[in-house]
Amino acid sequence: DIQMTQSPSSLSASVGDRVTITCRASQSISSYLNWYQQKPGKAPNVVIYAASNLQSGVPSRFSGSGSGTDFTLTISSLQPEDFATYYCQQTYSTPRTFGQGTKVEIK
Amino acid sequence: EVQLVESGGGLVQPGGSLRLSCAASGFTFSGYWMSWVRQAPGKGLEWVATINQDGSGKYYVDSVKGRFTISRDNAKNSLYLQMNSLRAEDTAVYYCARDGRSLTGNPFDYWGQGTLVTVSS
Repeated sequence: DIQMTQSPSSLSASVGDRVTITCRASQSISSYLNWYQQKPGKAPNVVIYAASNLQSGVPSRFSGSGSGTDFTLTISSLQPEDFATYYCQQTYSTPRTFGQGTKVEIK
Repeated sequence: EVQLVESGGGLVQPGGSLRLSCAASGFTFSGYWMSWVRQAPGKGLEWVATINQDGSGKYYVDSVKGRFTISRDNAKNSLYLQMNSLRAEDTAVYYCARDGRSLTGNPFDYWGQGTLVTVSS
């Protein structure tokens, strides 16, 4: 099974900060990497798919990069509505594993 | 508008069974793979199972193999998860999610609101 490791597990940031979250796969997954945002009590929403593609309706301050085993999600200027937990997920093979999540909190 | 609505969750004793349903609308259900994802209280997301368009291909996380069965009825635009021999560690919110048109590479682009399954005596 492919293991997905996110870092950090949590971070504190201020509105306007640039935030970067990393995700590492235990083996190459090409670009089959998605990022989800989840707010408390709600279902996740995809923000980035196939490593670098912005999901329709998602603000352009979100971006993704990487291929192979190392990936990043960047929020260029953190907004109040971005405080949430973010998960990476590989869809290269089954089981379609998720990372453990990164909680973005208000500093 | 794409909608996924889960039902069937509740309180069940260890060793018991439960069947979850997910009613889909707003898209051609038979054209998509579908998946179940769960989230234990205060924990992260865990993929549970995936089924292909005609139901001939099914995939499961190791921890539910032999206990859970994913199925679908394309005529009713519905996805199911039959859960048997339930354990305390199966306690979670269960989400159905729309997968893609193939096994590889697609995000889960639509999710239901989730249904809570609690396994406790």
